Amino acid sequence: EPEVTQTPSHQVTQMGQEVILRCVPISNHLYFYWYRQILGQKVEFLVSFYNNEISEKSEIFDDQFSVERPDGSNFTLKIRSTKLEDSAMYFCASRERQGEIWAFFGQGTRLTVV
Amino acid sequence: DQQVKQNSPSLSVQEGRISILNCDYTNSMFDYFLWYKKYPAEGPTFLISISSIKDKNEDGRFTVFLNKSAKHLSLHIVPSQPGDSAVYFCAASFGNEKLTFGTGTRLTIIP
Repeated sequence: EPEVTQTPSHQVTQMGQEVILRCVPISNHLYFYWYRQILGQKVEFLVSFYNNEISEKSEIFDDQFSVERPDGSNFTLKIRSTKLEDSAMYFCASRERQGEIWAFFGQGTRLTVV
Repeated sequence: DQQVKQNSPSLSVQEGRISILNCDYTNSMFDYFLWYKKYPAEGPTFLISISSIKDKNEDGRFTVFLNKSAKHLSLHIVPSQPGDSAVYFCAASFGNEKLTFGTGTRLTIIP
């Protein structure tokens, strides 16, 4: 069964450092998303990406965040200068087409900022 | 901004009995509702969905009920099995776009 793959599974970084979280969406999917879940809280939408551009972003997704699809397979989330409150589980998700409602999620990257 | 709420953080049910997980929403613009299941150290896995034009959708042991006037939906699992122990997230979507999640309910099935 096709799946969304995320690397690394766990990333520890010092406050102020840049991190890049990587995702390989399912190959024929066209819509890509990043979500995050702070420990004990709900899963929150960060950004959606379609046709090589951001289609929607939440208020969490400020200038410190960026996304990129550098080639035909990878989808990355960059946090330029990490803060302690960026510590969370980050989930990548992808969806095949407009009419499909549900998204497939990766297993997540646990980001710990120290 | 709690547009989707799951008021029960946890629920324990005996194996073989019915599990009922509840979810309330406030945004009447939502047109699709979904349930995701999440095991520890894994991403959410899609379980079942329902369009706002329906009031029930069934898939095997899982049934989702939607009461639009009450802005309430529920997931019924019957019979409950030990493998159903997980965190269940209710989510809602408008216009096939981003998902807005609830806070989750941890379901424990007691053998």
